[in-house]
Amino acid sequence: NAGVTQTPKFQVLKTGQSMTLQCAQDMNHEYMSWYRQDPGMGLRLIHYSVGAGITDQGEVPNGYNVSRSTTEDFPLRLLSAAPSQTSVYFCASSYGQQGYEQYFGPGTRLTVT
Amino acid sequence: GDSVTQMEGPVTLSEEAFLTINCTYTATGYPSLFWYVQYPGEGLQLLLKATKADDKGSNKGFEATYRKETTSFHLEKGSVQVSDSAVYFCALSRPSGGSNYKLTFGKGTLLTVNP
Repeated sequence: NAGVTQTPKFQVLKTGQSMTLQCAQDMNHEYMSWYRQDPGMGLRLIHYSVGAGITDQGEVPNGYNVSRSTTEDFPLRLLSAAPSQTSVYFCASSYGQQGYEQYFGPGTRLTVT
Repeated sequence: GDSVTQMEGPVTLSEEAFLTINCTYTATGYPSLFWYVQYPGEGLQLLLKATKADDKGSNKGFEATYRKETTSFHLEKGSVQVSDSAVYFCALSRPSGGSNYKLTFGKGTLLTVNP
């Protein structure tokens, strides 16, 4: 199993550009999430999904969109990049709810200039 | 709302020293508690967990006990190694309505172990 994969690993954008961060998992997990990690802030939840076709907002959803058309894929779209979105982005998946381990991807380091 | 408070880092220890990283939480109900570890340049991975009061999670020589009376889940290791150098995150999860659950992370504690 590849686990959770993310692409790209690094990305530089100019303010106002859009892009999609890809996330895929091959563990047949229902639950998938996107987090951003900023120095001194820990991880903050952006969006999550409890199954194909179902998504919901997390703690910091503004400026991001998600969709979940298949169990395997959960892309994160930046609509119009801003310097405040410079961060490291992690995708995670889990088998179930409370008490289940989250499996994290290796992360995407995004810089917006 | 829910919150997780970890001791401020960075923590610097010599090899074979005893490690404690404090973690306390605020949450309603009966959350599950986790410690995740992040090695340089990598994503987070689960280190250990406990799902009910008085449970002890353990892995790779690390331990933490779920103390509901003190709302704590302190991470301990008797003898650290250089390879334990990483960022450690305490986290909790609990139901947040319907079939959803909410996972809350602490800010992380950087541990550096010197030879």
